[in-house]
Amino acid sequence: AQSVTQPDIHITVSEGASLELRCNYSYGATPYLFWYVQSPGQGLQLLLKYFSGDTLVQGIKGFEAEFKRSQSSFNLRKPSVHWSDAAEYFCAVVFSSNTGKLIFGQGTTLQVKP
Amino acid sequence: EAGVVQSPRYKIIEKKQPVAFWCNPISGHNTLYWYLQNLGQGPELLIRYENEEAVDDSQLPKDRFSAERLKGVDSTLKIQPAELGDSAVYLCASSARLAGNEQFFGPGTRLTVL
Repeated sequence: AQSVTQPDIHITVSEGASLELRCNYSYGATPYLFWYVQSPGQGLQLLLKYFSGDTLVQGIKGFEAEFKRSQSSFNLRKPSVHWSDAAEYFCAVVFSSNTGKLIFGQGTTLQVKP
Repeated sequence: EAGVVQSPRYKIIEKKQPVAFWCNPISGHNTLYWYLQNLGQGPELLIRYENEEAVDDSQLPKDRFSAERLKGVDSTLKIQPAELGDSAVYLCASSARLAGNEQFFGPGTRLTVL
């Protein structure tokens, strides 16, 4: 079955520290990959996406993600976290371009310590 | 450019009562999605519209849920009768085209069923 796994439910980092949020997906073909962020009471905002080409993609707010086909992973990174980055982060995958159906992971809650 | 608009933002009802949610997508977006987001989980697709046609409603519990997008623009999602387990956030999203599939999300409607 098509699935997206975010192994870390909750992560706490200190402000200024680096961050990596993990995402793994099932299925063999190259899907479309996304990272969204959701602040409390808000909708989801797209951070970045990967369709093809360079496997390291840059997004908004200083985030980047790297697609690793061999590991079926699409991990999100930021070199220096700001207190405003505290939010819920969702990895999402479109496995079939015919349907465009987004499959979301369960999310990772990021807490930032001062 | 206005984003995806949803109303109401919050709704509290008693079980067995009907409830309706409204969504106005970004102008020009032909594809509209309704998602269900349970607490601590990623969104799950309920239904997808291409213009006024529901092209994927396989996850919509049709015994109590219904949706419409009569003129291919705004959409309404209805629950009748509501059950305690329906308490969740209902998200609406839209996209300009299926391929590439960057979906823009509204703020959601938080439903509480008492």
